[in-house]
Amino acid sequence: DTGVSQDPRHKITKRGQNVTFRCDPISEHNRLYWYRQTLGQGPEFLTYFQNEAQLEKSRLLSDRFSAERPKGSFSTLEIQRTEQGDSAMYLCASSLGRTEYQETQYFGPGTRLLVL
Amino acid sequence: SQQGEEDPQALSIQEGENATMNCSYKTSINNLQWYRQNSGRGLVHLILIRSNEREKHSGRLRVTLDTSKKSSSLLITASRAADTASYFCATDAGNTNAGKSTFGDGTTLTVKP
Repeated sequence: DTGVSQDPRHKITKRGQNVTFRCDPISEHNRLYWYRQTLGQGPEFLTYFQNEAQLEKSRLLSDRFSAERPKGSFSTLEIQRTEQGDSAMYLCASSLGRTEYQETQYFGPGTRLLVL
Repeated sequence: SQQGEEDPQALSIQEGENATMNCSYKTSINNLQWYRQNSGRGLVHLILIRSNEREKHSGRLRVTLDTSKKSSSLLITASRAADTASYFCATDAGNTNAGKSTFGDGTTLTVKP
């Protein structure tokens, strides 16, 4: 247990429905990341936050995907109008956020999404 | 596209043998990290090596970095069945934002008891 929690751990939904995932980082960590991972692939960057500021987001995180970190603590990732191609593991990670470089990240257990 | 690429994609060895996996990247880096992932779980950080370091050790792990060849290797000595997992390298190579990590597709290691 790294101290990063994600909820729910599993989600099954029907195509076209909206889903929201939550991530609670380690409390003193300022930086929070979201990744998507499909079978046999490495984590694919979606977005990351420094406190409540969203510093970068991939082209994937537009249109139907949105992420927030309103008070610089927990974060939510929402997928609207889900498609079968959204089926994947969604990983959250956090780090201290004290340097401008990539830092050691502590990952949560992930939320596995299945879109029927 | 992924900046870090691991090689080999899959590796199968006997318990007690050493396992070596490699990571190549395309542009300069500030640091490189190795992570491990057991099937269906989150990633666990193993080691971070800075661009001005050439070698780093942690227990049975040894990581080397050759910035002239833009490559890194992870050596696991005296492997155990519990080392069976996927191993990923993460870099900031080529990223416009150095705080962002880019992962390769990993090496899947199987250690047979």
